[in-house]
Order: sequence, then structure tokens, then C-alpha cells
Amino acid sequence: GNSVTQMEGPVTLSEEAFLTINCTYTATGYPSLFWYVQYPGEGLQLLLKATKADDKGSNKGFEATYRKETTSFHLEKGSVQVSDSAVYFCALSDGWDKLVFGAGTILRVKS
Amino acid sequence: NAGVMQNPRHLVRRRGQEARLRCSPMKGHSHVYWYRQLPEEGLKFMVYLQKENIIDESGMPKERFSAEFPKEGPSILRIQQVVRGDSAAYFCASSKDRGETQYFGPGTRLLVL
Repeated sequence: GNSVTQMEGPVTLSEEAFLTINCTYTATGYPSLFWYVQYPGEGLQLLLKATKADDKGSNKGFEATYRKETTSFHLEKGSVQVSDSAVYFCALSDGWDKLVFGAGTILRVKS
Repeated sequence: NAGVMQNPRHLVRRRGQEARLRCSPMKGHSHVYWYRQLPEEGLKFMVYLQKENIIDESGMPKERFSAEFPKEGPSILRIQQVVRGDSAAYFCASSKDRGETQYFGPGTRLLVL
């Protein structure tokens, strides 16, 4: 079945550091890939998405590229801020109905 | 443009009681999905509904859990005879059509005492 594996956290960075959160997936067919962010006590917000190989999703300084050859969708940001502290979830959809989520990665940014 | 709305945001129940969780999708969305997030875990799919129809309930526990999305009104996730293991955050998402991006509500955090 479909599955998503994320790097374990927490990830602790200083403000303005470079961020990478690894995400790999296993899926049949050609899934769409997503990053969602969850701030404390809140629901999930869609951060970015990519629907086909080599697509790059970007939003608020975050980027991720759909790599079919390595089945990866790593999240990156060049300079993190304290306000980026949250839990980040990688997810895939086979385009049919359910989303399959990774376990989430806690990001803590220190000033 | 109002987002997905869920209520209540927090719900406390004693073992054996019933829990009813409500979800109003975004305007123009007729597809609703329920997910459960256990403490320190990712979200797990429970059920997918369209108006008056359950499309996929492969993630729903076999007993005590049910869901509906009537022609009028919000979608309801119902948990009968709650147990401590039901304590979790329950999130609803909606999409405009099947296979399109899902937008999430703020969740209902259920605590079973």
C-alpha cells in the first residue's frame, strides 16, 4: 500500500538557518504530493503541493521538488524564522480520495 | 470565504457516553473527509463522504463509529460508548471535487475521562 516516511524530529535550528525535512514515499501509480503545516492547537494548513514528476511547489519561502527517481519530496527553506516553529506533515494522494500522511516532523526555531 | 468549520473545538466525555462531532465544509465543497490524529502520531484516514453517501469507510473502526453527511446541514462523526482510547484530535477536510486538494478544519479535540 501507499506510505510516507519522514525524518524524525524534533529538528532544532537557529533563526536564519537552512532547513531540510526529508520525505520519501511508496506508491503505485503517480501520486500527488503535499506538505501541510500544523501550528500548536490548530488544524492543518496546506503549505505546498506538486502533482507530477519534476514539479516544484513553493510558498512562503518553502520549496519542495517532486523527484520520481528517488521517490522523494524534501521540504526546504533558505532562512527559517521563529514563526516557522510547527509540525510539518508530508502526505500523498493517489488522486482518488484519502490522503496518506507521514508521522510529522516537529520544527523548533530559536532566536 | 469561510474555511472548514468544526465544532465543538474541545469535547470532554466520560467512558460510555456518546460523542458527536460536526463539520461544515468550505462553501462550494461537497466532499468531506474525516481523519483522526492520535497523540504524537500522524493523521489517519477514517471516512470519505459526499452528500448523503458514504464513499469510502475503509479507515473507520468496525464498531461504535459512524458518519453521515445529510443533504442539509453539517457532516457528523458519531462515536458511541466512548472509551479512553478514543481520545484524539479529529479533523475534517473538504474538497470541491474528488481528487482535488483537501482543506482542513481546526479539529475537535476529544478527551475521554
